[in-house]
Amino acid sequence: GAGVSQSPRYKVAKRGQDVALRCDPISGHVSLFWYQQALGQGPEFLTYFQNEAQLDKSGLPSDRFFAERPEGSVSTLKIQRTQQEDSAVYLCASSLGPGLGTEAFFGQGTRLTVV
Amino acid sequence: GENVEQHPSTLSVQEGDSAVIKCTYSDSASNYFPWYKQELGKRPQLIIDIRSNVGEKKDQRIAVTLNKTAKHFSLHITETQPEDSAVYFCAALSSGAGSYQLTFGKGTKLSVIP
Repeated sequence: GAGVSQSPRYKVAKRGQDVALRCDPISGHVSLFWYQQALGQGPEFLTYFQNEAQLDKSGLPSDRFFAERPEGSVSTLKIQRTQQEDSAVYLCASSLGPGLGTEAFFGQGTRLTVV
Repeated sequence: GENVEQHPSTLSVQEGDSAVIKCTYSDSASNYFPWYKQELGKRPQLIIDIRSNVGEKKDQRIAVTLNKTAKHFSLHITETQPEDSAVYFCAALSSGAGSYQLTFGKGTKLSVIP
């Protein structure tokens, strides 16, 4: 594809609802990152995939957050029992190499609002 | 883990002046330092990057310098234009145990006054 694509662009969830956010990386990109960006803040690392392997999930804030990339391409970030503090923009990025020194391309993000 | 500090948080300059944004990092093993520009409501976009074996890199009006000993790197924008107004983020790439983390600073909101 032309770039990293995320869907939906906007999601409003009622508190306690489960949500799933999708990321379509650039075809052939090995590395995939998920970030959480609160209003007026920098992106905060959530998790990293190399192909289908989730090599780092140290940034996931709680066990309500789960990410997968089963076939090494499309990735889904799932948040269970959403809470108001989960409201943020969730950014996905992919890069060609395994992570070392190659440009990370970002998607437009999914803006999640929990009401 | 890596920690990236970025200053200033806001910066206003007159059109045509220069702007400088500074970042420090904590992990001496970090070896790749990109800078991203994010306009309101849009995705972060890479504007320039530098690797740890290089001290300075320039691309037209934008330059980045890296001091590995002091663990700091800076973005320099010369001849600023109104379209340079945006939030700028520095980042540092660290690796360990087969994984990679790109850690971002908190951002600098640059306003270029016509």
